[in-house]
Amino acid sequence: AQTVTQSQPEMSVQEAETVTLSCTYDTSENNYYLFWYKQPPSRQMILVIRQEAYKQQNATENRFSVNFQKAAKSFSLKISDSQLGDTAMYFCALINSGGGADGLTFGKGTHLIIQP
Amino acid sequence: DAGVIQSPRHEVTEMGQEVTLRCKPISGHNSLFWYRQTMMRGLELLIYFNNNVPIDDSGMPEDRFSAKMPNASFSTLKIQPSEPRDSAVYFCASSFLNNEQFFGPGTRLTVL
Repeated sequence: AQTVTQSQPEMSVQEAETVTLSCTYDTSENNYYLFWYKQPPSRQMILVIRQEAYKQQNATENRFSVNFQKAAKSFSLKISDSQLGDTAMYFCALINSGGGADGLTFGKGTHLIIQP
Repeated sequence: DAGVIQSPRHEVTEMGQEVTLRCKPISGHNSLFWYRQTMMRGLELLIYFNNNVPIDDSGMPEDRFSAKMPNASFSTLKIQPSEPRDSAVYFCASSFLNNEQFFGPGTRLTVL
């Protein structure tokens, strides 16, 4: 069974600061994808960023970037120049990439609060 | 594209009643997933379908839960009889193969 662990239940930073959310995972598979999803109070699940395990280069999407350490099974999310709209729950998730589709395994989430 | 559509958005029912949640995936997607979100257990995969066929239902909590996908554009998750511990937000998601999963807005279920 695969697991995803987010050790920070809640974080709070000032607007415009940089914040890093931690995630570790465990899987016996060699091919997999990792994701960060954002869930604002509207409860809609929004994909923030995606990383393929076979790629060494860290994924980047505008103010969002990841630090993917495959050997350490670590996948942290960095948010630069944080904005009030970044306030949300953030979930780290893992999926195996072999063959057909598979279900996501989620961490318990980190509640990020951006203070004005 | 309308995205994944779920209905109802909110459901309040009494213990013992049958509850049916509905999902319309994005056109062209061949995989559909049902997840449940609670404070205690977080987001859990209940069941998923590939090409309308159930692949893994190991996450379904018990026999009171059942899911069907009669065609590529419709799926249901049924709880019969419902219990207060079934209160949660239920998400449907769809994808094409193992690409990004697109989530619906969720159904908030309250069982009194």
